Amino acid sequence: DAGVTQSPTHLIKTRGQQVTLRCSPKSGHDTVSWYQQALGQGPQFIFQYYEEEERQRGNFPDRFSGHQFPNYSSELNVNALLLGDSALYLCASSLDTGDYNSPLHFGNGTRLTVT
Amino acid sequence: GENVEQHPSTLSVQEGDSAVIKCTYSDSASNYFPWYKQELGKRPQLIIDIRSNVGEKKDQRIAVTLNKTAKHFSLHITETQPEDSAVYFCAASTPYGQNFVFGPGTRLSVLP
Repeated sequence: DAGVTQSPTHLIKTRGQQVTLRCSPKSGHDTVSWYQQALGQGPQFIFQYYEEEERQRGNFPDRFSGHQFPNYSSELNVNALLLGDSALYLCASSLDTGDYNSPLHFGNGTRLTVT
Repeated sequence: GENVEQHPSTLSVQEGDSAVIKCTYSDSASNYFPWYKQELGKRPQLIIDIRSNVGEKKDQRIAVTLNKTAKHFSLHITETQPEDSAVYFCAASTPYGQNFVFGPGTRLSVLP
């Protein structure tokens, strides 16, 4: 049973460029959330996708966008990269149960460095 | 919106001693509180969780307590071992959707 997989594992980009990160959820999960984890901090919620739509969004600018595909996999896109976007980007999947929260299962993350 | 505070930021204990990490949350509508362990360079992994209809939950050497009135919850690790060394994050659910607010983390070091 495959867990959450993310690609690539590491990425180096130049300020102003665009980047796409990919995530495949754990088998049986239908909800994908993206988190940004700066060094030494807790994960910060970016957005969540369910049924191919953005269901919730955290306090991140429109430069951050995403997509969920029919097979539940997801992409995170960041445009016009800033130095401050350097962080570990974590994808987490869960199963929408409708009436109560279920735990997040995290991938290993993509380490993005913006120079 | 929800805000989660976590203390201490670093904690060193001798092997075999107990460790306690405390978190407070601000939104009384939060009803689910997971704890994650993140080893260096690895993914956060769920170690225990508790829902608001329960005051305490235990799993071997790990336990979590919840005080809804005071809006705080704590992680207790007994008989600590070197492999318990990691960063621990508490989290609280937000009222809408399966979203969570995380605390800033506690770096636990278990000294042999």
